[in-house]
Amino acid sequence: TQLLEQSPQFLSIQEGENLTVYCNSSSVFSSLQWYRQEPGEGPVLLVTVVTGGEVKKLKRLTFQFGDARKDSSLHITAAQPGDTGLYLCAGASGANSKLTFGKGITLSVRP
Amino acid sequence: DTAVSQTPKYLVTQMGNDKSIKCEQNLGHDTMYWYKQDSKKFLKIMFSYNNKELIINETVPNRFSPKSPDKAHLNLHINSLELGDSAVYFCASSRALGGGDPGRTQYFGPGTRLLVL
Repeated sequence: TQLLEQSPQFLSIQEGENLTVYCNSSSVFSSLQWYRQEPGEGPVLLVTVVTGGEVKKLKRLTFQFGDARKDSSLHITAAQPGDTGLYLCAGASGANSKLTFGKGITLSVRP
Repeated sequence: DTAVSQTPKYLVTQMGNDKSIKCEQNLGHDTMYWYKQDSKKFLKIMFSYNNKELIINETVPNRFSPKSPDKAHLNLHINSLELGDSAVYFCASSRALGGGDPGRTQYFGPGTRLLVL
């Protein structure tokens, strides 16, 4: 069974701070995704990374896929209250395979 | 113009009852999924259908029976509801099976919050 561990589980920071959160596994994934889920809504895809060492930027969010394709990080610069939500990472072991989700990171950004 | 819609949004029922949740997508996708998110926010796949055929069945009790009348709809019927069935159930769809491929992004519905008393 492939497991994805996300850390920290909870994070509460002040607006304007930077933060990095992690998604780690002992398994290799062909791709890894990050989702954000807001209260009362379904998860929304932020990014898919497929190449070891890949870095993708989405405005203030920077995603990195580990060289060995076992882990990923999400860095947020100058966090804003609108970044508040549950951040889920999900891995796939092949193009047709199911997604395995981590348990998520609850981020709260205080104004 | 909701892409993936679910009904009902909230469902409160007694233990032992039978209930159904409906899902519809207007994205023209071939693949649909049911996920369960527990109280700790852990999201786990239950079923996947591709072109109305069951592809993934993840060790789910047979009290749960999905049905796909056509590619745009995937319903979930639950018999003899138990307390442990309380969770948020999400429907999702993608162009093709998978979701890890950038071309097969999964789009999630807003969820159905089931509470079994």
